Amino acid sequence: SSELTQPPSVSASPGQTARITCSGDALPNQYTYWYQQKAGQAPVLVIYKDSERPSGIPERFSGSSSGTTATLTISGVRAGDEADYYCQSADSSGSYVFGSGTKVTVL
Amino acid sequence: QVQLQESGPGLVKPSETLSLTCTLSGGSMNYYYWNWIRQPPGKGLEWVGYIYHSGSPKYNPSLKSRVTISLDMSKKQFSLKLSSVTAADTAVYYCARVDTVAVQDAFDIWGQGTMVTVSS
Repeated sequence: SSELTQPPSVSASPGQTARITCSGDALPNQYTYWYQQKAGQAPVLVIYKDSERPSGIPERFSGSSSGTTATLTISGVRAGDEADYYCQSADSSGSYVFGSGTKVTVL
Repeated sequence: QVQLQESGPGLVKPSETLSLTCTLSGGSMNYYYWNWIRQPPGKGLEWVGYIYHSGSPKYNPSLKSRVTISLDMSKKQFSLKLSSVTAADTAVYYCARVDTVAVQDAFDIWGQGTMVTVSS
């Protein structure tokens, strides 16, 4: 199965921009999805199909993908954005795969 | 409002079979993929497998020999059975829906999760 690699942690001060990368060999051929998981809660979808936002997700969350790397950008970071973020895609057999997760800390 | 709720034993003995059920409320099971995902304490998410509304399952290759996912449309439930469990199977188990239309194959609805501990 295909692996997705994320940095273990990213930090940003309130109002700044946090960027989280997700790298994987299958990404040029598959969409990337992003989930936010706050402590003790189930994950929540924040980006689908590389760059689309579900209803109810603030415009501060955006996504992009180029080649083997996808990026989640959080603009104007707030204390409430502190969470673990996971990317997710699929491999060539159709099995779903999650990235290792990135902890976002708001300084 | 569409909701998913996991249920089942919170403690399973080593070598036995873990059994969980996920119940759907407020929606239809048709045309969606119904998934199980797990998260060991302090670790990341791992996809376990799914079953389509037509009944076709697909499993994570690393768990395939031990996993069975089944569907009961009349009860709006789907179930997970994981056999020969060890301590490595201790995790929070989530059920989740994949919507292939509105959000293009994303996990858009999740249950709250249920903790399962494997211990004698």
